[in-house]
Amino acid sequence: DIQMTQSPSSLSASVGDRVTITCRASRSISTYLNWYQQKPGKAPNVVIYGAASLQSGVPSRFSGSGSERDFTLTISSLQPEDFATYYCQQSYFFPFTFGPGTKVDI
Amino acid sequence: QITLKESGPTLVKPTQTLTLTCTFSGFSLSTSGVGVGWIRQPPGKALEWLALIYWDDDKRYSPSLMSRLTVTKDTSKNQVVLTMTDMDPVDTATYYCAHRTYYGSGSYSLFDYWGQGTLVTVSS
Repeated sequence: DIQMTQSPSSLSASVGDRVTITCRASRSISTYLNWYQQKPGKAPNVVIYGAASLQSGVPSRFSGSGSERDFTLTISSLQPEDFATYYCQQSYFFPFTFGPGTKVDI
Repeated sequence: QITLKESGPTLVKPTQTLTLTCTFSGFSLSTSGVGVGWIRQPPGKALEWLALIYWDDDKRYSPSLMSRLTVTKDTSKNQVVLTMTDMDPVDTATYYCAHRTYYGSGSYSLFDYWGQGTLVTVSS
């Protein structure tokens, strides 16, 4: 299985801050990397697919970059509704493994 | 509008078999490229990918759980069923089903619609 790691595991930020989360795959996955946002008690929602493509309906303050093994999710100006846990997921090899998550809170 | 909903028991005893049903609307599982996946999340922990069934009945499983998992589809009923045998307390989790789609020339696979999830507790 491909192992996914994320850093940091949690971070504290304020509204308006620029936030960057990193994800690393244990082997190259090209750009087959998705980012999901999950709020407490809710199902995840995809925000980025293909490492850098913004899912329809997701605000443009979210962006993704990276390829091969190293990826980043950036929120350019954190909004109150962005406080959540973010998971990366690779979709290059089965099983489609998720990272351990990064909790973004105040 | 795509919706999915998981149903099944909320409590199962150790060694029992869990059967969960995902009932969906707004898409057909006979449409090329479409799939339905199962993902679970133990309380306070990360997401874990379990299985995926495609429109052509191709099935993929998590290797660590493959011996215990079976996924089937009933296209006429718009349902996908996940069966997990020999349940253990460590299998206590919220179980989600999700619609799989793909985008782009690279055929990027993603779960774009999710059910609300169902919490399954394994306890005697």
